Amino acid sequence: AQSVTQLDSHVSVSEGTPVLLRCNYSSSYSPSLFWYVQHPNKGLQLLLKYTSAATLVKGINGFEAEFKKSETSFHLTKPSAHMSDAAEYFCVVLHTGGFKTIFGAGTRLFVKA
Amino acid sequence: GAGVSQTPSNKVTEKGKYVELRCDPISGHTALYWYRQSLGQGPEFLIYFQGTGAADDSGLPNDRFFAVRPEGSVSTLKIQRTERGDSAVYLCASSLTAGSTEAFFGQGTRLTVV
Repeated sequence: AQSVTQLDSHVSVSEGTPVLLRCNYSSSYSPSLFWYVQHPNKGLQLLLKYTSAATLVKGINGFEAEFKKSETSFHLTKPSAHMSDAAEYFCVVLHTGGFKTIFGAGTRLFVKA
Repeated sequence: GAGVSQTPSNKVTEKGKYVELRCDPISGHTALYWYRQSLGQGPEFLIYFQGTGAADDSGLPNDRFFAVRPEGSVSTLKIQRTERGDSAVYLCASSLTAGSTEAFFGQGTRLTVV
């Protein structure tokens, strides 16, 4: 069975400092992995996706994530946080052979001025 | 429309009543998904449509939940004999094709069962 674990429910950083949001997955096959962001009162928006091409994936707004098969991880990073990055972030795995997506529980990112 | 539209945005209903939640996907998107998001949790997959047919309904929690997409565009999620535990935000998403293409999400319908 496939699953996703986001290791932190809350992360707090200061503006201008790096962001690290951690995600581990469990999958029997090579997965497709995604990060989505959810701002208050807005719909979920795709940040980036990994689909077995390059292991380092660049997304929108300066975010990137690295797929590490040996560690079954897909952590999201950004070199310098901005106040507008404050939101809920979800790591997602696509069920191989089907179309069922499994979301992690989410990590709320707080950015302090 | 420009994005995925869900109506109503909020719905309050009494326990035991029947509700319908509507999703208008992006025009031309053949894949449509329904999710349920409870407070403090990530979205939970309910059902996936490819065209008019439900290709995967394994996430529907029980037979009180049903969804249709009769013309391959608009979809309706139907909940019978609502229970307080059904209270959640119901999200709809659509994508051009299924699988690893980007899914675009609506803002959801907040259902409260009192």
